[in-house]
Amino acid sequence: QVQVVESGGGVVQPGRSLRLSCAVSGFTFRSYDMHWVRQAPGKGLEWVAVIWYDGSKKYYADSVKGRFTISRDNSKNTLYLQMNSLRAEDTAVYYCARDRKRAGDYWGQGTLVTVSS
Amino acid sequence: DIQMTQSPSSLSASVGDRVTITCQASQDISNYLNWYQQKPGKAPKLLIYDASNLETGVPSRFSGSGSETDFTFTISSLQPEDIATYYCQQYDNLPVFTFGPGTKVDIK
Repeated sequence: QVQVVESGGGVVQPGRSLRLSCAVSGFTFRSYDMHWVRQAPGKGLEWVAVIWYDGSKKYYADSVKGRFTISRDNSKNTLYLQMNSLRAEDTAVYYCARDRKRAGDYWGQGTLVTVSS
Repeated sequence: DIQMTQSPSSLSASVGDRVTITCQASQDISNYLNWYQQKPGKAPKLLIYDASNLETGVPSRFSGSGSETDFTFTISSLQPEDIATYYCQQYDNLPVFTFGPGTKVDIK
């Protein structure tokens, strides 16, 4: 069965960096575009970034452009989100989601990132 | 950028009631609209894709309709396990996802 597992969250000081990982199994990872979506405490869903199935294209929300980098390693079935220059407003649960015809059909359980001094 | 609005922001209904949530796009998005259910502490779950298609395994009491700028999500008979927040999501501006602000559904 499909499994999507995020990791790498934690508490980090403002201005520092963190890398999130999303390990998948149960489907052909290299065939699917993948997204990161986040949710601040008590707030709604905010799309963060998407990467094409082959890594050839990447798009970002304006709120993270220039600070976050999405990448993938299809040989390891893993998606990444490198987050630099973190701010308090980046505090959220970060989910990765598989893209099926522009819908997120499989999601991980999320990993919490807290940016605080 | 396309903006999404949802109404109401919250509602309370009785078990067995028909529940309707609306989602409006700031411009024509054809049928490029999905609906998700999110229970507290859990990841979102895809219920409806392309405005009106029921995701495999989702109970038939859930349905969606609409096109262009106006969309409706309906629970035909509210069940206790349907307590959740529901989000619409558009994808006309590929490949960006834009989510609506959500509708919290409670049992009266």
